[in-house]
Amino acid sequence: LAKTTQPISMDSYEGQEVNITCSHNNIATNDYITWYQQFPSQGPRFIIQGYKTKVTNEVASLFIPADRKSSTLSLPRVSLSDTAVYYCLVGDYRGNNDMRFGAGTRLTVKP
Amino acid sequence: EAGVTQFPSHSVIEKGQTVTLRCDPISGHDNLYWYRRVMGKEIKFLLHFVKESKQDESGMPNNRFLAERTGGTYSTLKVQPAELEDSGVYFCASSQLRNQALYGYTFGSGTRLTVV
Repeated sequence: LAKTTQPISMDSYEGQEVNITCSHNNIATNDYITWYQQFPSQGPRFIIQGYKTKVTNEVASLFIPADRKSSTLSLPRVSLSDTAVYYCLVGDYRGNNDMRFGAGTRLTVKP
Repeated sequence: EAGVTQFPSHSVIEKGQTVTLRCDPISGHDNLYWYRRVMGKEIKFLLHFVKESKQDESGMPNNRFLAERTGGTYSTLKVQPAELEDSGVYFCASSQLRNQALYGYTFGSGTRLTVV
């Protein structure tokens, strides 16, 4: 299973764009990159998933370079309610390579 | 649609007792997962069901843990006998493979287990 490395914590201010980068140097050919968000006392919540290049949805964008050894979650114009832990997961959900969580990045958005 | 439901939300039991956690996945989701986070640690994978079959149980810590998913609907996770180190939050998640790229896994709010 590919190991992921993320910053332990990040601070930002309301209205700013936040970019969280995840390293996954030994990502396999069949692996996808998935990001989850977790608030205290809740289960993780799916944000976005991608394989290569760029993926965008109503919540975030995911940038994946050609070598796929890293990925960047971009949150546009964050608000206080975006304060949470963000997890980067790498795995092939279509097979037996189930998603494993790392330590995550604790994002704190300040007013 | 209803989300993933876990019961109970909290449980406090004494060491040596038995506890059974229940997870009701989203209707129609074939995949069901159990994860747990013990204090100060990362969320760890426990096992994965596809319908009623155990696809991967490599994360189960020991034989005191037993997971079942009879009929491929809800799942139970039994801990017998419970030990102090079993304390933590147990999460259940479900997914449907065909739309997982769009929706990923849907997690429940978890069961907080405290063994005293």
